Amino acid sequence: DAGVTQSPTHLIKTRGQHVTLRCSPISGHKSVSWYQQVLGQGPQFIFQYYEKEERGRGNFPDRFSARQFPNYSSELNVNALLLGDSALYLCASTSVFEQFFGPGTRLTVL
Amino acid sequence: GENVEQHPSTLSVQEGDSAVIKCTYSDSASNYFPWYKQELGKRPQLIIDIRSNVGEKKDQRIAVTLNKTAKHFSLHITETQPEDSAVYFCAATPDSGGGADGLTFGKGTHLIIQP
Repeated sequence: DAGVTQSPTHLIKTRGQHVTLRCSPISGHKSVSWYQQVLGQGPQFIFQYYEKEERGRGNFPDRFSARQFPNYSSELNVNALLLGDSALYLCASTSVFEQFFGPGTRLTVL
Repeated sequence: GENVEQHPSTLSVQEGDSAVIKCTYSDSASNYFPWYKQELGKRPQLIIDIRSNVGEKKDQRIAVTLNKTAKHFSLHITETQPEDSAVYFCAATPDSGGGADGLTFGKGTHLIIQP
């Protein structure tokens, strides 16, 4: 888990704006998953990407999108931000079954 | 989809005592059950996991048990120490490998170790 990196660490946006979050998985891992963690709750699954293709999607609106690059890094994009999108966004690097989380990006929507 | 219930929401134990956190899941196809520890302001950290082909797994002071018939699994921490204080999350997935189905998490248990 020490190898998963995310940027930026913190972000403040206003309603209606869009945001791009970035993640680099552990070296050698080809799969990246994105989760949203609202304060006081467990993480909620948003997307999973493997070999640059979306392989899994949670119950999130189309305002959320993602992609994975040839080097297996990934971006999560959120359009038309709502106050309820304020959360910690976690990226997980997957090795077969185990998922190792990055430090997260704290997004605040004002 | 999968639904994971976790109890209790808060657990306070004396240092040195044991702590047990319990989870139930709804999807009989779930076959992988990890436990994460999250300290305040930090990332969830994988501490132990179990797959459906075993009933128990132990790693030093922590152990996990799984009852597939009853669809519940538990985390056991023995000889608790102050550094065990954190929020613990259970999770489940029917994934056959690779994370495509995502993990479904419980709501967490705040474990407090009293000195």
